[in-house]
Amino acid sequence: DVKVTQSSRYLVKRTGEKVFLECVQDMDHENMFWYRQDPGLGLRLIYFSYDVKMKEKGDIPEGYSVSREKKERFSLILESASTNQTSMYLCASSLWGGRGELFFGEGSRLTVL
Amino acid sequence: EDQVTQSPEALRLQEGESSSLNCSYTVSGLRGLFWYRQDPGKGPEFLFTLYSAGEEKEKERLKATLTKKESFLHITAPKPEDSATYLCAAELGYNNNDMRFGAGTRLTVKP
Repeated sequence: DVKVTQSSRYLVKRTGEKVFLECVQDMDHENMFWYRQDPGLGLRLIYFSYDVKMKEKGDIPEGYSVSREKKERFSLILESASTNQTSMYLCASSLWGGRGELFFGEGSRLTVL
Repeated sequence: EDQVTQSPEALRLQEGESSSLNCSYTVSGLRGLFWYRQDPGKGPEFLFTLYSAGEEKEKERLKATLTKKESFLHITAPKPEDSATYLCAAELGYNNNDMRFGAGTRLTVKP
């Protein structure tokens, strides 16, 4: 069974803290994505990666960075968390070439106090 | 501006009461229209992809259709286990890197 695993389901952090969200996929997919999901706004793309060490900005990259050192792992980093980054974060993967489904993890709900 | 709008925001049905969810899109170049199901506390799960106007796809009680302006997700004789949020997304770019998601329709089916 294909799987995208997000390491932390729930996190509570303080303003200014550094936050790491980890995502691992076991499907040998080239593409990996980080989205955030907020009520009424749908999913918005933060960053994506189509290869190891490659990254591209999505629609809302400000305040975030990413790391992809291995094909199966894609990390989202909040260098200095702020309250407006309180959200549900979803990692996804897909095969190179698009035109196919995204496989999502179960999400990481981050609260920044 | 590329936009995907879903309606209604929330829908409550009795078990067996058929209905449709709407996804309208105004995008510059649609490569594919995706439907996902999302259960509370979970990530979205793929249902269908539609690529051209007139195309239809079915899975159990669900049927998705596509026109040049919108897509419908028809639910026939729904059951309580169909309760979920249904998301649609328009793919604009190559390689899944430009997907515009709607905000979703939260469906509740009462027994």
